[in-house]
Amino acid sequence: GESVGLHLPTLSVQEGDNSIINCAYSNSASDYFIWYKQESGKGPQFIIDIRSNMDKRQGQRVTVLLNKTVKHLSLQIAATQPGDSAVYFCAESLGSNYQLIWGAGTKLIIKP
Amino acid sequence: GAGVSQSPSNKVTEKGKDVELRCDPISGHTALYWYRQRLGQGLEFLIYFQGNSAPDKSGLPSDRFSAERTGESVSTLTIQRTQQEDSAVYLCASSLIGGTKNIQYFGAGTRLSVL
Repeated sequence: GESVGLHLPTLSVQEGDNSIINCAYSNSASDYFIWYKQESGKGPQFIIDIRSNMDKRQGQRVTVLLNKTVKHLSLQIAATQPGDSAVYFCAESLGSNYQLIWGAGTKLIIKP
Repeated sequence: GAGVSQSPSNKVTEKGKDVELRCDPISGHTALYWYRQRLGQGLEFLIYFQGNSAPDKSGLPSDRFSAERTGESVSTLTIQRTQQEDSAVYLCASSLIGGTKNIQYFGAGTRLSVL
């Protein structure tokens, strides 16, 4: 039969509210971080990235915050919309020439 | 330009059969990755190709799994003697190593069902 594994943590947010998705990364030497969005039936898509020399970076309706002291990364989505429903993955790497180390993912559910 | 293309999009096979999954990366991308994603779970790294370097096979779960890549183009992931536990979505990604960013671009995946 199918093996049992951990299922993704879930975050439920009211439509129109702000969403905050958190990620704890593993390596204090990592200097590049990236967020991906994976909609149902699709591959992950790049959202936003940040380097370790920054604490905050903003995109269109999204903001990534980096706290190197506690090895914490967060993705904030403003005015959450139904189209934001997806699984969100964080990833880290030691510079642009190294592989990404992937987080477990968080499933974002939008309540109407 | 075209993104990462994977084929087939869906594959149903019988236990014990061999399957071959294909990935066409973005033209010019030197790095290619295979991942496995079980239902409701995260990404499980399988194998990584970078240019002419020896591939990083550290994520392959058993010797039934193998992958090849011809130069900096197409890659195939082969699973021999498939088992029901192999049922998953197999994702391929490519990236341009050496740039200022390490962004992997993903295909839509191949959904493998082993009966």
